Amino acid sequence: DAGITQSPRHKVTETGTPVTLRCHQTENHRYMYWYRQDPGHGLRLIHYSYGVKDTDKGEVSDGYSVSRSKTEDFLLTLESATSSQTSVYFCATGGRNTEAFFGQGTRLTVV
Amino acid sequence: AQSVTQLGSHVSVSEGALVLLRCNYSSSVPPYLFWYVQYPNQGLQLLLKYTSAATLVKGINGFEAEFKKSETSFHLTKPSAHMSDAAEYFCAVSDQFAGGGNKLTFGTGTQLKVEL
Repeated sequence: DAGITQSPRHKVTETGTPVTLRCHQTENHRYMYWYRQDPGHGLRLIHYSYGVKDTDKGEVSDGYSVSRSKTEDFLLTLESATSSQTSVYFCATGGRNTEAFFGQGTRLTVV
Repeated sequence: AQSVTQLGSHVSVSEGALVLLRCNYSSSVPPYLFWYVQYPNQGLQLLLKYTSAATLVKGINGFEAEFKKSETSFHLTKPSAHMSDAAEYFCAVSDQFAGGGNKLTFGTGTQLKVEL
């Protein structure tokens, strides 16, 4: 898994609460990505980063924010969790012109 | 915008039979194409990738895929299925952005079942 650790691996939270998911990498990859996986949709890009403090929106960014203060850490925050954000979240990293390497995923349930 | 279509959300084959998983893409630029495999409760693992070199790409576990520009296809094949191949398979196309990163657009996945 290219040294990618996601935490927590499982979380149950209540509607309206903020939630932060963490992705930590040890590969010194420049690029980091957050995807969500839902049945029938495959994986969809939420946000990505191309360097420390450099981030941009992906396809499904509404309701999410990210931060990258260090090369190795990429945080995904759900500002006010909703049931539609129940999903499996994957972090990925990559170097220039390389494939993406994926973490093990975080299963988030919003009740 | 790029897109990927995987025909067949579920494919079932007998052990020892040919595996064929279909992927068609649309892209306004020469694409990078990928096949990933996902086993239950795990992340995605790269099977193979096409990056404009040879059109027939060989990957891990005996899988290969052929890039056909005229058909905008990148189908995944394996001559003889094994029980351990049962998993979900995702085709993805890359949208390179400035600086060389790869944003991936995924298909909806194909669940492969291998029967005795």
